[in-house]
Amino acid sequence: DVKVTQSSRYLVKRTGEKVFLECVQDMDHENMFWYRQDPGLGLRLIYFSYDVKMKEKGDIPEGYSVSREKKERFSLILESASTNQTSMYLCASSSGGTGGYGYTFGSGTRLTVV
Amino acid sequence: QKEVEQDPGPLSVPEGAIVSLNCTYSNSAFQYFMWYRQYSRKGPELLMYTYSSGNKEDGRFTAQVDKSSKYISLFIRDSQPSDSATYLCAMRRPSGSARQLTFGSGTQLTVLP
Repeated sequence: DVKVTQSSRYLVKRTGEKVFLECVQDMDHENMFWYRQDPGLGLRLIYFSYDVKMKEKGDIPEGYSVSREKKERFSLILESASTNQTSMYLCASSSGGTGGYGYTFGSGTRLTVV
Repeated sequence: QKEVEQDPGPLSVPEGAIVSLNCTYSNSAFQYFMWYRQYSRKGPELLMYTYSSGNKEDGRFTAQVDKSSKYISLFIRDSQPSDSATYLCAMRRPSGSARQLTFGSGTQLTVLP
């Protein structure tokens, strides 16, 4: 069974901390994505990556950075956590090319910044 | 204005009802259309996808795309309590750098036993 695994289900961090969210996929997918999901706002794209060491900004990249050193791993970094970054964070992956088969999502990390 | 609009609900129906979930969109370049189901405290999972216009059926689920009206629908027949979830529509352009999906905000559905 294909999988996208996010390292933590629940995380509580203090304002100003540097936070790392890890995501690993076992499907050999080229594309990986980080979203945050908030009530009433839906899924908003933070960053995505089409290949190792490549990254592109999504719709809301401010306050975040990413790292993709290996094909299977895509990390989201909150440089200095703030309370408005309290959210559900979802990682997803997809195969390359023009296929429209969509993403495989992880189970999410619910981050609370206090 | 958002590229994809979806009524957030919540929608509550009795078991056995036919459910209709809908999205409208503004970008005529979208060619691939998907529906995701998200159970509480879980990530979304792909339910159905269609390419361009037309209908696609899978068991109790039917996805419908009307590109002329920029309108997509998901129908659930004989709805079950296990169908209670948030349903997200998603769509994307056919190729190029825009390999990311654009999502609706989701409709929360509750099927009452």
